[in-house]
Amino acid sequence: DAGVTQSPTHLIKTRGQQVTLRCSPKSGHDTVSWYQQALGQGPQFIFQYYEEEERQRGNFPDRFSGHQFPNYSSELNVNALLLGDSALYLCASSLEEAGRQYTQYFGPGTRLTVL
Amino acid sequence: AQSVTQLGSHVSVSEGALVLLRCNYSSSVPPYLFWYVQYPNQGLQLLLKYTSAATLVKGINGFEAEFKKSETSFHLTKPSAHMSDAAEYFCAVSLGTGGGNKLTFGTGTQLKVEL
Repeated sequence: DAGVTQSPTHLIKTRGQQVTLRCSPKSGHDTVSWYQQALGQGPQFIFQYYEEEERQRGNFPDRFSGHQFPNYSSELNVNALLLGDSALYLCASSLEEAGRQYTQYFGPGTRLTVL
Repeated sequence: AQSVTQLGSHVSVSEGALVLLRCNYSSSVPPYLFWYVQYPNQGLQLLLKYTSAATLVKGINGFEAEFKKSETSFHLTKPSAHMSDAAEYFCAVSLGTGGGNKLTFGTGTQLKVEL
């Protein structure tokens, strides 16, 4: 049973460029959340996708956008990269079950470095 | 709104000694609480979770945590530390109401295990 997978593992970009990160959820999961983890910090919630819609969003600018595909995989796009966007980007998947708490399982992350 | 405070950014114990990592939460509704572990250059692995059932929760690798509503705490313990426990530990809270259930993380505690 494959867990959450993310690609690429590492990425180096220049200020002003755009980047796309990809995530495949754990088998059977239908919800994908994205988090940004700066060096030495805890993960910060970016947004969550369910049924191909952005359901909840954290305190991140519009430069951060996403998409969820019919097969539940997801992309995170960041435009006009800033040095401060350098971080580990984590994807987490979960299963939506009405009236029940669902646990988020994390992928290994994509390390983005902006020069 | 919800928040988590982890007291002690660095904790050092001897191998075989008790591990105690502290977590206090703030939540406007009964929370769901989680502990995750992160090894260097990896994603987050779920250790255990509290979802309003038993207040003493047992997790993987011999870890357990006790939910204390009166103290708004969810401290993580392990009776005997092992060298392989050296990692960063994150406490997280969610509102548990379903429908876009983001995790809010603490800043993490780095656990060092010495011989």
